[in-house]
Amino acid sequence: GQQLNQSPQSMFIQEGEDVSMNCTSSSIFNTWLWYKQDPGEGPVLLIALYKAGELTSNGRLTAQFGITRKDSFLNISASIPSDVGIYFCAGQRYGGATNKLIFGTGTLLAVQP
Amino acid sequence: DSGVTQTPKHLITATGQRVTLRCSPRSGDLSVYWYQQSLDQGLQFLIQYYNGEERAKGNILERFSAQQFPDLHSELNLSSLELGDSALYFCASSVGQGDEQFFGPGTRLTVL
Repeated sequence: GQQLNQSPQSMFIQEGEDVSMNCTSSSIFNTWLWYKQDPGEGPVLLIALYKAGELTSNGRLTAQFGITRKDSFLNISASIPSDVGIYFCAGQRYGGATNKLIFGTGTLLAVQP
Repeated sequence: DSGVTQTPKHLITATGQRVTLRCSPRSGDLSVYWYQQSLDQGLQFLIQYYNGEERAKGNILERFSAQQFPDLHSELNLSSLELGDSALYFCASSVGQGDEQFFGPGTRLTVL
């Protein structure tokens, strides 16, 4: 199945550090989304981006929709222990009758207090 | 809590068997999506229903089928199970067909 390229694969940081992760695709998307998944849980939507170049914040999280519509990044500032989890990007195209999500490979974030 | 519910939370069964996974979307959502998450393939779209009708198919095997009922809940049927079908199965729902998708807690299927 198709997956988007997401990097880094994992990050081990100290509490208070900033984090940056990105996602790239070989084709364009109409929407980029970022999800967080805790162990044993479903993905939870963090940020949705709908327009090329758009920069959106949600608390300590900031995400951008790349100008080429083929990439997106997510920044987390001043990380805290509860930021631990797996972060997934997802791209969405509109066309026909579907808006399925294509997910990235995930970034595992570990935060040491 | 996303408002999407899935049952059961865990399912352990044997190869060759058939199971049914159930999903109730958020109140007011008409679209239901099924995804499979495995270690080697990641999160993969399986199938989408909108207001009772199938709208899109992804990487869904012929042994798998789904339906959405008039009350909008959905069921994913997996038959002739193989070891490789062991995975987390997620249901997501959205209001329409271009809206944000909210995921349920998932069903962990283990095939022995």
